[in-house]
Amino acid sequence: DVKVTQSSRYLVKRTGEKVFLECVQDMDHENMFWYRQDPGLGLRLIYFSYDVKMKEKGDIPEGYSVSREKKERFSLILESASTNQTSMYLCASSLLVSPSGTRGETQYFGPGTRLLVL
Amino acid sequence: QKEVEQNSGPLSVPEGAIASLNCTYSDRGSQSFFWYRQYSGKSPELIMFIYSNGDKEDGRFTAQLNKASQYVSLLIRDSQPSDSATYLCAVCGLDFGNEKLTFGTGTRLTIIP
Repeated sequence: DVKVTQSSRYLVKRTGEKVFLECVQDMDHENMFWYRQDPGLGLRLIYFSYDVKMKEKGDIPEGYSVSREKKERFSLILESASTNQTSMYLCASSLLVSPSGTRGETQYFGPGTRLLVL
Repeated sequence: QKEVEQNSGPLSVPEGAIASLNCTYSDRGSQSFFWYRQYSGKSPELIMFIYSNGDKEDGRFTAQLNKASQYVSLLIRDSQPSDSATYLCAVCGLDFGNEKLTFGTGTRLTIIP
């Protein structure tokens, strides 16, 4: 079974703090993703990575950065937390290409981190 | 801007009936289509994926894809109370040589005992 874990289930931080969210997957997946999920807005992609030390901006990267020093670990960093970053943060991973060669591989999600910024 | 549209619901279906969930997408280059189920307070979990036009069945679930009309649907037969959840449609296209999923906002399904 694919396992994606996230460092915290709940987190409370103050405005201006630097926040680190960690994600680890144990299936040797190339792709890793960070989303945030807000009511009425659905899942929005923040950043993704297709390889170690590689990162690509998603749809809403402003205010965030990422780090991928090892294949299994993908970190999301809020450089200076703001109240509008209060959200559910979800990490996901997937293969680059499925064994059958099909493109667009299934993403497996971690349990999520619910972040509250005061 | 690629878009994936779903009716937000709530969709109420009696237990034992067929629940039908629909999704339309804007990018004609989309290649892969996924249905995720998300229980309240939990993360999304994959139910089905479909790549080719037509129907794909897995137990009580059937995914239907019509690329010409740009829609994908999910049918749940013999609906159970445990099927009550939000269902997310996700579409994968080719974006700058890489692939990423675009999610709809989800349809909230309630199965009435």
